[in-house]
Amino acid sequence: DAKTTQPPSMDCAEGRAANLPCNHSTISGNEYVYWYRQIHSQGPQYIIHGLKNNETNEMASLIITEDRKSSTLILPHATLRDTAVYYCIVVTDSWGKLQFGAGTQVVVTP
Amino acid sequence: DTEVTQTPKHLVMGMTNKKSLKCEQHMGHRAMYWYKQKAKKPPELMFVYSYEKLSINESVPSRFSPECPNSSLLNLHLHALQPEDSALYLCASSQEGTGELFFGEGSRLTVL
Repeated sequence: DAKTTQPPSMDCAEGRAANLPCNHSTISGNEYVYWYRQIHSQGPQYIIHGLKNNETNEMASLIITEDRKSSTLILPHATLRDTAVYYCIVVTDSWGKLQFGAGTQVVVTP
Repeated sequence: DTEVTQTPKHLVMGMTNKKSLKCEQHMGHRAMYWYKQKAKKPPELMFVYSYEKLSINESVPSRFSPECPNSSLLNLHLHALQPEDSALYLCASSQEGTGELFFGEGSRLTVL
């Protein structure tokens, strides 16, 4: 599976949009981009995933570049409860190795 | 019911003890996973079960023994652990052919 690169940390003001980048330059055609987050002392939580097209759900939006080498997770209106480690993961959509990288620690401040 | 339930939440054991971690889901998922997470590190995949059969073992030491008695239950049997095995152990489940995993809150293990 392709590796991902994320900034180690980001700060975001409450109420503003948080844009979390992820680089996955070695992604292959059958690999999806998944985003998870882990709030302190909790299990990871699925946020969103995509293959080629941009995706949106009630939690976030996922923007994937046309060449698929990078993506951005957008939290439209960050709240204090969005403080968490956010993981970008690339994986073939089959059972097996969902492997977490280092992630981005996002801190939302009042 | 979209929960994955793990018990116990906390476990302290000596290096000669035998204990088990339990995980249960009632979402009809046919894949179940064990992850290990050390402090300030990302979760590391340990085992994957699909249709109650072990499909992935990430070279985990034999002192960790997984078991999937049925499609709803996943156990992790622990024996002769080392202090460095102290960690948060996370269970997850998913439907076939998807990377959308549902995680439990984890079992925090301390080995003395």
